[in-house]
Amino acid sequence: NAGVTQTPKFQVLKTGQSMTLQCAQDMNHEYMSWYRQDPGMGLRLIHYSVGAGITDQGEVPNGYNVSRSTTEDFPLRLLSAAPSQTSVYFCASSPTNRGTGELFFGEGSRLTVL
Amino acid sequence: KNQVEQSPQSLIILEGKNCTLQCNYTVSPFSNLRWYKQDTGRGPVSLTIMTFSENTKSNGRYTATLDADTKQSSLHITASQLSDSASYICVVSGILTGGGNKLTFGTGTQLKVEL
Repeated sequence: NAGVTQTPKFQVLKTGQSMTLQCAQDMNHEYMSWYRQDPGMGLRLIHYSVGAGITDQGEVPNGYNVSRSTTEDFPLRLLSAAPSQTSVYFCASSPTNRGTGELFFGEGSRLTVL
Repeated sequence: KNQVEQSPQSLIILEGKNCTLQCNYTVSPFSNLRWYKQDTGRGPVSLTIMTFSENTKSNGRYTATLDADTKQSSLHITASQLSDSASYICVVSGILTGGGNKLTFGTGTQLKVEL
């Protein structure tokens, strides 16, 4: 049972480089989201999607892009990496964004921007 | 502003002892509250969900309580084990106008269980 799969687990970038964090889920969940987790702060929502073809901004969207062409995949793109984007990124899915809303998280991607 | 505050920030206990983690929130209107466990280097995993009408719910050695009047929740861990060492995150779901929910995350309590 794969659940939510994120790649890569670790990545080091130089300032100004771009990259894509991949996220895939095999639970046929409508809702997918990206969070960043920084020391001393709660998880913060970057972008989310309530279904294929639909995306929206979360709390901290600047510097990130997303797309949702299929139900399964929800990649997060860093357009021009900055040191402030050094963080651990989590992808999460949920059967729906209405109701009880349990999130199923991936294992995380640790990104360092030099 | 919706907020979730957890205490203590960190806690060290001896194996076999009990402990209680606290979560106070200001989220309104309230939908539900979840406790997640996050092991080091892993993603959070849901332990339990509390809805408005529930006061107590158990999941093995974990017991969550909810007082919706005072907007407080607690997570009690009984007979702690080394594997309980983790961060415990309180997440409160608020109801959005038009449906759907918005999650507010606490910063977590870091628990370490020692021999």
